[in-house]
Amino acid sequence: AQKITQTQPGMFVQEKEAVTLDCTYDTSDQSYGLFWYKQPSSGEMIFLIYQGSYDEQNATEGRYSLNFQKARKSANLVISASQLGDSAMYFCAMREGKAGGTSYGKLTFGQGTILTVHP
Amino acid sequence: KAGVTQTPRYLIKTRGQQVTLSCSPISGHRSVSWYQQTPGQGLQFLFEYFSETQRNKGNFPGRFSGRQFSNSRSEMNVSTLELGDSALYLCASSLDPGIVGNEQFFGPGTRLTVL
Repeated sequence: AQKITQTQPGMFVQEKEAVTLDCTYDTSDQSYGLFWYKQPSSGEMIFLIYQGSYDEQNATEGRYSLNFQKARKSANLVISASQLGDSAMYFCAMREGKAGGTSYGKLTFGQGTILTVHP
Repeated sequence: KAGVTQTPRYLIKTRGQQVTLSCSPISGHRSVSWYQQTPGQGLQFLFEYFSETQRNKGNFPGRFSGRQFSNSRSEMNVSTLELGDSALYLCASSLDPGIVGNEQFFGPGTRLTVL
């Protein structure tokens, strides 16, 4: 079963507008973390934002915010005031906790969404 | 502070050969994870090392192996290369793998082409 689902293969947005990238996840763990990464054409993965399963507030980092709806198991990324440099592939990822609260490095990634920002 | 470095950045090999990729984590980070990225399968977890011990392993054949040295640098090895091993191999380091929210910092990747 796919644990991270990104249903939008590609998204287009006009410069200076906001865009939402969808992500749903599946886990039976109570403790888990959700991450968003940006991957430009150069290939390097750039960390954007993190949301913990116990966090009551939605995470925000500058122009990035995470719309976390735990009951729906969704963790959508919102980019406000899009810039041309935001054009890239965006990945949603999850790290699940293990029994006893210990988690080891494995991140499970979605298939990604290619975002294109038009001038 | 220097980021995660990976060498080499590009590699071309032929089927049946073996290859070793290297990753140097951020100074002070003791956890190193490896991922394979292909257009068809996306990003897949290979394995994770912490303090020279493999803590977690993905669903890859035994041809894929790795190790970590006492200075936290890690290597991964692929033996008997197949065409399907052509991929971008990403290494990520983190400070403490015991914290679920611990961010992983990725290197630029090694692009392996198998002919």
